[in-house]
Amino acid sequence: DAGVTQSPTHLIKTRGQHVTLRCSPISGHKSVSWYQQVLGQGPQFIFQYYEKEERGRGNFPDRFSARQFPNYSSELNVNALLLGDSALYLCASSYLQGNTEAFFGQGTRLTVV
Amino acid sequence: GESVGLHLPTLSVQEGDNSIINCAYSNSASDYFIWYKQESGKGPQFIIDIRSNMDKRQGQRVTVLLNKTVKHLSLQIAATQPGDSAVYFCAENKGYSTLTFGKGTMLLVSP
Repeated sequence: DAGVTQSPTHLIKTRGQHVTLRCSPISGHKSVSWYQQVLGQGPQFIFQYYEKEERGRGNFPDRFSARQFPNYSSELNVNALLLGDSALYLCASSYLQGNTEAFFGQGTRLTVV
Repeated sequence: GESVGLHLPTLSVQEGDNSIINCAYSNSASDYFIWYKQESGKGPQFIIDIRSNMDKRQGQRVTVLLNKTVKHLSLQIAATQPGDSAVYFCAENKGYSTLTFGKGTMLLVSP
């Protein structure tokens, strides 16, 4: 079975641009969470979606938004990119909302120049 | 504020030694504590978790200890191998699968 897949793997954007990152959870998993990992730090929680509804939001500005589709895949959108948005963006899926065993994708490396 | 932190940023061990990675937490209300392993260029990989009402849990070559009195969590890796070299994160589960991660400890295993 395929694990969590994220696309693209690498991305370079210019300040002020918009970016969309995509995530496909493990088949059968209904919960998707997004994390931002700055170099040298642990992942920071951005959003959680379960059954297509937002169930949690971290301390990130409104420039960050996300959604989950009927097939449980998800998109993370970031508007008006800043240099500080450069990071590894991780998607994690789990079967249930309260399942501790979250499986992570390999991440999307976003560089803002 | 609530946080999960690590005592040591880097741990160097010899192959075959036992490794102990430590973590301090401050949120007594967490339900689970989880250890993740992250290799270069990859996403975090689940290792083992422990409920807040447990003191110890064992997996394959790994043991997690939870000391609620001093709010301390540790990961013990037996017979450390070069393939264990990675950054290890402890994380706490605050319900609804939201994870709060610490900064991480890099484990370097030399042959």
